[in-house]
Amino acid sequence: DSGVTQTPKHLITATGQRVTLRCSPRSGDLSVYWYQQSLDQGLQFLIQYYNGEERAKGNILERFSAQQFPDLHSELNLSSLELGDSALYFCASSGDLEGGIGYTFGSGTRLTIV
Amino acid sequence: AQTVTQSQPEMSVQEAETVTLSCTYDTSESDYYLFWYKQPPSRQMILVIRQEAYKQQNATENRFSVNFQKAAKSFSLKISDSQLGDAAMYFCALRMNRDDKIIFGKGTRLHILP
Repeated sequence: DSGVTQTPKHLITATGQRVTLRCSPRSGDLSVYWYQQSLDQGLQFLIQYYNGEERAKGNILERFSAQQFPDLHSELNLSSLELGDSALYFCASSGDLEGGIGYTFGSGTRLTIV
Repeated sequence: AQTVTQSQPEMSVQEAETVTLSCTYDTSESDYYLFWYKQPPSRQMILVIRQEAYKQQNATENRFSVNFQKAAKSFSLKISDSQLGDAAMYFCALRMNRDDKIIFGKGTRLHILP
């Protein structure tokens, strides 16, 4: 157990629907990162929150949004889902803002759009 | 923009042998960190080893070591005495000291032959 908890582990839904993925960071970590892992695209950075505030944005679609709550858990909302959104979505957390400590990853949410 | 390139999509090695995974990266900055992450079939992303760019000494973690060539922007991972449990996807990653997000390569799938 890495200390980063992601729920649900698997999610199957239809095109056009909306889903929410949840992440609880490791105790004491203020930063939460969301990544999308598709078969042919590797790990793509979506967005980062630090202590409730958006800090960095990657190639996140407008149909996707995220937030970090006062208790530091984060949610990634995906709407108007398309077949191409099928992927593994990772959350990671980090305790430092700058520097070389790598992330601690959750086990991911496998999203399948049918 | 920073990039990370892993030119070997797949590799195989005999159990107990040594294998080297290649990684090159591109950045105009001098202060950064490099990582190797392992993703076994369980999908969990596990930090294997990290290297600070300002350190000339190559990092080592048990059977895992790196060959960091800063001028050549090369960061290879050597796995000694390969074990069946080393079978996984390996990702090379780069993080700027001024930034929080980590940029990943597309990965190298490592097979261990018994």
